[in-house]
Amino acid sequence: AQSVAQPEDQVNVAEGNPLTVKCTYSVSGNPYLFWYVQYPNRGLQFLLKYITGDNLVKGSYGFEAEFNKSQTSFHLKKPSALVSDSALYFCAVSPNAGNMLTFGGGTRLMVKP
Amino acid sequence: SAVISQKPSRDICQRGTSLTIQCQVDSQVTMMFWYRQQPGQSLTLIATANQGSEATYESGFVIDKFPISRPNLTFSTLTVSNMSPEDSSIYLCSVSGGGSHEQYFGPGTRLTVT
Repeated sequence: AQSVAQPEDQVNVAEGNPLTVKCTYSVSGNPYLFWYVQYPNRGLQFLLKYITGDNLVKGSYGFEAEFNKSQTSFHLKKPSALVSDSALYFCAVSPNAGNMLTFGGGTRLMVKP
Repeated sequence: SAVISQKPSRDICQRGTSLTIQCQVDSQVTMMFWYRQQPGQSLTLIATANQGSEATYESGFVIDKFPISRPNLTFSTLTVSNMSPEDSSIYLCSVSGGGSHEQYFGPGTRLTVT
């Protein structure tokens, strides 16, 4: 069975500073990894994914994530945070393409002006 | 990416009643999923719905409580039966297919059971 851990319930960062939202995973075989964002009263929006290839993947809204196989991590990053990035972020893993997602507990990102 | 709509967007229901949530996709998709997000919690998969076959339920979820229909490749329904306050959650459908690895989510249905 797969699992995802997001060790921080909340991350606070000042606008303009870099941000990191942490995610570690456990899955049999090669993982399919995803980041989603949830704004208040809205559904989940897909940000980015790692399937194979380059360990650094780029996604929507200037976000990127780094896949680290040895540390089983897939941390979400952004060089310069915006107040509008404030939202709930979910990391998810799947054992193969198009299959069920297992989500982490979510991390609330608060970007302060 | 697929465009997904859900009806209703929210509802307040009395305990003991049932609510059917509809999920409509603007293109044909192979797999549809139903998730539950309880207040302040993460998402938990309820079941996978494939057209032409019975839905596959995850541990802790049963067909009698959450019957699902998938009559075609663009539509699915989830019914929450005999509701109790513990069923108060956001219910989301998602889809995958068409060669994409990721899932796309509907806007969710916010259910409150009183």
